Amino acid sequence: KQEVTQIPAALSVPEGENLVLNCSFTDSAIYNLQWFRQDPGKGLTSLLLIQSSQREQTSGRLNASLDKSSGRSTLYIAASQPGDSATYLCAGPDSWGKLQFGAGTQVVVTP
Amino acid sequence: SQTIHQWPATLVQPVGSPLSLECTVEGTSNPNLYWYRQAAGRGLQLLFYSVGIGQISSEVPQNLSASRPQDRQFILSSKKLLLSDSGFYLCAWTRLGAGSSYEQYFGPGTRLTVT
Repeated sequence: KQEVTQIPAALSVPEGENLVLNCSFTDSAIYNLQWFRQDPGKGLTSLLLIQSSQREQTSGRLNASLDKSSGRSTLYIAASQPGDSATYLCAGPDSWGKLQFGAGTQVVVTP
Repeated sequence: SQTIHQWPATLVQPVGSPLSLECTVEGTSNPNLYWYRQAAGRGLQLLFYSVGIGQISSEVPQNLSASRPQDRQFILSSKKLLLSDSGFYLCAWTRLGAGSSYEQYFGPGTRLTVT
């Protein structure tokens, strides 16, 4: 069974700094790795999905990398803004599409 | 484009009362559907998933049940709620099979408080 770990659990940075969020997984036979954002009391918004055949994926200020051999994915957020404050979750599906989530990293960007 | 709806958005129910949460998906057919729960201060836990009408798989033994009466409708139910059923319930869908990215999309969630 896939196990997903996210470090750190919480992160506080001043506005303008780059954010680096880490995600580790145990099963390298991963279909994809999906990064989500969750605002307090809200559902999950998909940010990026990296296919198992890809090494990275970019969307605006967000860049996610995937290294299957080491069981790691990293989400980079460039030039952070207060609006980036949220909880970020990573997850990978099994063959039935069931997602195994990490516990998340709670990010606070201070003005 | 596809959208996913959940209702109600919030619910406060006494212990022992029944529960019915509904999820519907628009703009796709034959999706895989999932119910997750997020308890306060805890991660997301998969409760049920469905690969087709009437097909339900349970991940966690509990007093909740799920049904899929139509292709794009997924219902979470309980006959008698417990305090421990409080949490944030999220419905999600994906498409599996050849060529699928397995990307999963989530609804806005239902906040359930059992008193």
